[in-house]
Amino acid sequence: ETGVTQTPRHLVMGMTNKKSLKCEQHLGHNAMYWYKQSAKKPLELMFVYNFKEQTENNSVPSRFSPECPNSSHLFLHLHTLQPEDSALYLCASSQDGLTTNTGELFFGEGSRLTVL
Amino acid sequence: AQSVSQHNHHVILSEAASLELGCNYSYGGTVNLFWYVQYPGQHLQLLLKYFSGDPLVKGIKGFEAEFIKSKFSFNLRKPSVQWSDTAEYFCAVNPFGNEKLTFGTGTRLTIIP
Repeated sequence: ETGVTQTPRHLVMGMTNKKSLKCEQHLGHNAMYWYKQSAKKPLELMFVYNFKEQTENNSVPSRFSPECPNSSHLFLHLHTLQPEDSALYLCASSQDGLTTNTGELFFGEGSRLTVL
Repeated sequence: AQSVSQHNHHVILSEAASLELGCNYSYGGTVNLFWYVQYPGQHLQLLLKYFSGDPLVKGIKGFEAEFIKSKFSFNLRKPSVQWSDTAEYFCAVNPFGNEKLTFGTGTRLTIIP
């Protein structure tokens, strides 16, 4: 039990589909993150939300669209993806963000995305 | 931009062997340093972290890491590994006051019983 729940765990979609990944944290944290984990590459930060406001967009293509309706929920809306977008998408949360001196990330188990 | 290098991609050890995994980073300012571990089929979880103070930090399951500022290194160590330590280990760096946590490519550790 991680305290950060991601759904779906696996998703297969075509290049013309629209789908969404969902993340929910039960830790009372105020910051949430999307990371992309591809084989043989470092985890890549995609987006950061602090108190529901987007504070980082790490040059992510517009076919990925995040949404943070409240501090507990984070979505990643996907549309017209490419096969190279296939990866494990990880959601994480932290109490008050990493700019505090005690910040650390708590990760979910990830959503494995395959784009055909 | 900061970067993190983990030179060992795959390490294979026998049980009871000593472990040291290398981590070097490139960033000139103050940093917070982390080691995360991902056991097979499980989520990434924090192993240990360094923010300030004693450069030798101890984490869970007998792991420790030493921050050597002059070498920009934060190597992970364990004196005697167990089969249950089989996992992927990620070093990560966060510049002080910054939201970005930059990860290395990870080191896969396989322990042979």
